[in-house]
Amino acid sequence: EIVLTQSPGTLSLSPGERATLSCRASQSVRSNSLAWYQQKPGQSPRLLIYGASNRASGIPDRFIGSGYSGSGSGTDFTLIISRLEPEDFAVYYCQQYAGSLLTFGGGTKVEIK
Amino acid sequence: EVRLVESGGGLVQPGGSLRLSCAGSGFTVRSTYMSWVRQAPGKGLEWVSIIYSGGTTYYADSVKGRFTISRDTAYNRLYLQMNSLGADDTAVYYCAKGSMVVTATFDYWGQGTVVTVSS
Repeated sequence: EIVLTQSPGTLSLSPGERATLSCRASQSVRSNSLAWYQQKPGQSPRLLIYGASNRASGIPDRFIGSGYSGSGSGTDFTLIISRLEPEDFAVYYCQQYAGSLLTFGGGTKVEIK
Repeated sequence: EVRLVESGGGLVQPGGSLRLSCAGSGFTVRSTYMSWVRQAPGKGLEWVSIIYSGGTTYYADSVKGRFTISRDTAYNRLYLQMNSLGADDTAVYYCAKGSMVVTATFDYWGQGTVVTVSS
């Protein structure tokens, strides 16, 4: 089973600042199977990024996913929120698919400083 | 408009069973893969099970042998039969619709149904 480790656990930032969230896999993950979700309190998760770097429909361009190494796989993936808006304070999860199993990372909470 | 509505959650005693249902609209459940994902109180997301359009199913190790995912194309519903429930199964259970663009990525989620396992 591939384990996804997200860091930091909590990120305390102010609106307008840049957020950098990390997702590290215990084994190489195909880039087209890495996704990021946002979850706000009391709400369902929302797809932000698929295939490591592609924004889902309706997602603002301040959300940037990276990690595509050119080889189509890797272990280190990043979600950048270029300028935090008040509605971006939430928990973010990465998720991967390999073979028959899917796994989520433990999440990074982005909170208002 | 795509919509997913879960139902069937509730309070169940340890060792009991429950069947969750997810009603889909705006798409057909058979046209793509569908999953159940759960979230224990105050915890992160945990994938539970997936069913592909061809009918192949997979389960997380934590539920294998106890849970069964299925679908009913006539009613456009996804189900999760849960048996031998324990306290660790207490969670909000979400159904999620698979993206048509990429594998094992979920572009729509239901609002969740709460399962509480307690005596």
